[in-house]
Amino acid sequence: DGGITQSPKYLFRKEGQNVTLSCEQNLNHDAMYWYRQDPGQGLRLIYYSQIVNDFQKGDIAEGYSVSREKKESFPLTVTSAQKNPTAFYLCASSWPRGVTEAFFGQGTRLTVV
Amino acid sequence: AQTVTQSQPEMSVQEAETVTLSCTYDTSESDYYLFWYKQPPSRQMILVIRQEAYKQQNATENRFSVNFQKAAKSFSLKISDSQLGDAAMYFCAYRSDMEYGNKLVFGAGTILRVKS
Repeated sequence: DGGITQSPKYLFRKEGQNVTLSCEQNLNHDAMYWYRQDPGQGLRLIYYSQIVNDFQKGDIAEGYSVSREKKESFPLTVTSAQKNPTAFYLCASSWPRGVTEAFFGQGTRLTVV
Repeated sequence: AQTVTQSQPEMSVQEAETVTLSCTYDTSESDYYLFWYKQPPSRQMILVIRQEAYKQQNATENRFSVNFQKAAKSFSLKISDSQLGDAAMYFCAYRSDMEYGNKLVFGAGTILRVKS
């Protein structure tokens, strides 16, 4: 079945550590996105990519990094520079243009311990 | 930069009644797309309905319909015959149709509660 997969579902990070969230899609979509969702709030864009080897900062990119070496994969690294990383992270993919919707993964809940 | 505003943090509706969720957006572009997504307690994002800005006709999907007012930059969602399963967080989203750099921008969301 085609879809978008995020892993792990739950992730715990110690202070000062970098952690990487995985996002893989087999929908052949060119565009991929990372969003952060805090409790009771909307989705804020961290990074997005419309093509392999290219990505753009979103509204809250500080403390995060991404790579897009393969069309299917768009991993997000939460670095130690991100001072408040505890949140729910959603990955999405879509065609870069047109009315087709974005498809979302099931999310990763990151908690700093 | 494009922004999406949902001015209703929470709404309540009685089962079988109708409710309207508001959304306004700010853009200088003429070609774009608008979406409503639903996020139930499972947190899985589900597309509810979509609208192309060049289409004057309002989109409908079963019990869900939109009132798209391009000049007013308004895109409200009407849910008819509300059901308990409609209880969720609803997000309005915008995407431009430029050749490059199309972000998918979301509003802050509206929590919809359905009373039995």
